[in-house]
This record gives sequence, C-alpha cells and structure tokens, in this order.
Amino acid sequence: AQTVTQSQPEMSVQEAETVTLSCTYDTSESDYYLFWYKQPPSRQMILVIRQEAYKQQNATENRFSVNFQKAAKSFSLKISDSQLGDAAMYFCAYRSGDMRFGAGTRLTVKP
Amino acid sequence: DAEITQSPRHKITETGRQVTLACHQTWNHNNMFWYRQDLGHGLRLIHYSYGVQDTNKGEVSDGYSVSRSNTEDLPLTLESAASSQTSVYFCASSEGDSYNEQFFGPGTRLTVL
Repeated sequence: AQTVTQSQPEMSVQEAETVTLSCTYDTSESDYYLFWYKQPPSRQMILVIRQEAYKQQNATENRFSVNFQKAAKSFSLKISDSQLGDAAMYFCAYRSGDMRFGAGTRLTVKP
Repeated sequence: DAEITQSPRHKITETGRQVTLACHQTWNHNNMFWYRQDLGHGLRLIHYSYGVQDTNKGEVSDGYSVSRSNTEDLPLTLESAASSQTSVYFCASSEGDSYNEQFFGPGTRLTVL
C-alpha cells in the first residue's frame, strides 16, 4: 500500500525567511499525483500546490514551490518570504486512485 | 458561489447509536469522498463515490456506510457508533481525474461517549 511520510511533526520559521517541509512516499506506481494541502486553525483544507509525476519540472505557485525527486520518492515544499498567515498544518498527499495523506507538519511563523 | 457543506458541525452521541453525517455539494462534481482526521494520522479515506449509485470502500471503512442517490449528497452513516470513531470528519468533492483538486467541507467534529 502506498504510504506518505512527513518526518517533521513541527517546524518554525521567522517571518520573511524560507522554510522547507519534507515529504517522502512509497509506491510502485509510475503515474501518480502529489499535493500539498494547508489546514489553518479554521480546519478548512486548502490546496497549496500539486505535481504530476510524469512532469520533471517542479511546480511553483507564487511563494510556494516544490522539489520533486521521483527516483528518491521525495516531494518537499518550500515556502519563501514566509508570512504570518502561512502558519498552519501542512499535509502532503499522494494520489493514484485513493488519496493518501501524511500525518502533517505544524508550521509556526515567528514575527 | 459553489460550495460544499457538512452538517452538523459538532455532534455528541452515545456508544451504539446510529449516526448520520450529511455532506452536500453544489459544484456538480461526480466524485465525493469521506475522510476522518485523527492526531498523528492525517486524513484517512473512509468511503468514496464516483457517481450516482456508485460507492467504494476506502482505507478505514469498517463501521461506516454511504449511499449516493443524487449528485449533490453523500451521507455517511455510522451503524453503531464506537468510541474509536470519535474524530473530525471531512467530506470532499472533485471533478474528473486524479489530478483535479479535491474541495473540502468545513468538517464535523464527532464525539462518541
């Protein structure tokens, strides 16, 4: 079964600095999709960024970018110029059929 | 604006009771999903549906059932609530294939005493 591992339960970053959240996954599939979701205290799940496994180019969305290493089965999220509003739980997710989520990383942003 | 809603937002029930959580979406999406969120586990898939009359079991389906009689609704039923089913439940919907974004509801916090 596919598994998603987020090895950092908590991370902290200073406002305006850069932080990278780690995610690894286990799969035997060659075609799949990867996602990062943000969950602020409101509990609402918000899509941050997504990546198709067949695309070598890393996805970017404004201050958010990913480092996708298919051979290493790694999908890290980089947040640049961190803002107070970035404070949230971040979930990495894998999908090839069912969606599988990691346990999450709680990001704190210090002013 | 299109949205996905869940009701109730909070519920307390007793062990052994049947409980139904509602999920309603106005996106007109074919795909709908139910997840539970527990500390240390992220979100885990309970059941999902790819269209009317279609339902499928997810990773943690024991003790839960769903039915899909129309496009907009996918109610989740706990046949006989257990304390292990205390959790936050999220409904989601999406259109098309696996790459498409899943839109999540606000969640229902269920406590089973």
